[in-house]
Amino acid sequence: DAKTTQPNSMESNEEEPVHLPCNHSTISGTDYIHWYRQLPSQGPEYVIHGLTSNVNNRMASLAIAEDRKSSTLILHRATLRDAAVYYCIPVRQGNQFYFGTGTSLTVIP
Amino acid sequence: NAGVMQNPRHLVRRRGQEARLRCSPMKGHSHVYWYRQLPEEGLKFMVYLQKENIIDESGMPKERFSAEFPKEGPSILRIQQVVRGDSAAYFCASSPPPGAYNEQFFGPGTRLTVL
Repeated sequence: DAKTTQPNSMESNEEEPVHLPCNHSTISGTDYIHWYRQLPSQGPEYVIHGLTSNVNNRMASLAIAEDRKSSTLILHRATLRDAAVYYCIPVRQGNQFYFGTGTSLTVIP
Repeated sequence: NAGVMQNPRHLVRRRGQEARLRCSPMKGHSHVYWYRQLPEEGLKFMVYLQKENIIDESGMPKERFSAEFPKEGPSILRIQQVVRGDSAAYFCASSPPPGAYNEQFFGPGTRLTVL
């Protein structure tokens, strides 16, 4: 499974956009890129996923580099409820998830 | 549609006792995954089960840990003769049969404390 590199922590001001980067240089051509987040004392929750094209949903946008070796999760307007640890996970179809250490996002009021 | 349910939410055991953690997947999901999260660490995969089958147990410790997902009833993660190092949060997730989306839905976790 592809290894990922994410910043340990990031800060954002409330209502400003946040760009959370992830490097996954060993990703294979069929691996989907999933993003999950874990709020304090809760289980992880799905945020977004994609394969090659950029993706948008009500929670976030996912920008995938053309060579697929990196991706960026974009929260368009950070709120206090977005404070969480964000994990980027390359997933091979049918395989279990391997979580790294993620990025701990702090949102400043 | 109820989400993934885990019980108990908190479990305290003394060293040497057994711990049984239960996971009820979302309705219609036939695949269950167990993960362990030690304090201040990310989640570590333990085992992947389908109904009545263990698909991948590569993350399970070789001794004292076992998991099952019977035809009827919840999935069970069993830890025999617990030690202090087993203290962690245990999360299960469920999914429909793997496909292009492969999204996993996580439960709230069971926090095991070994005294």
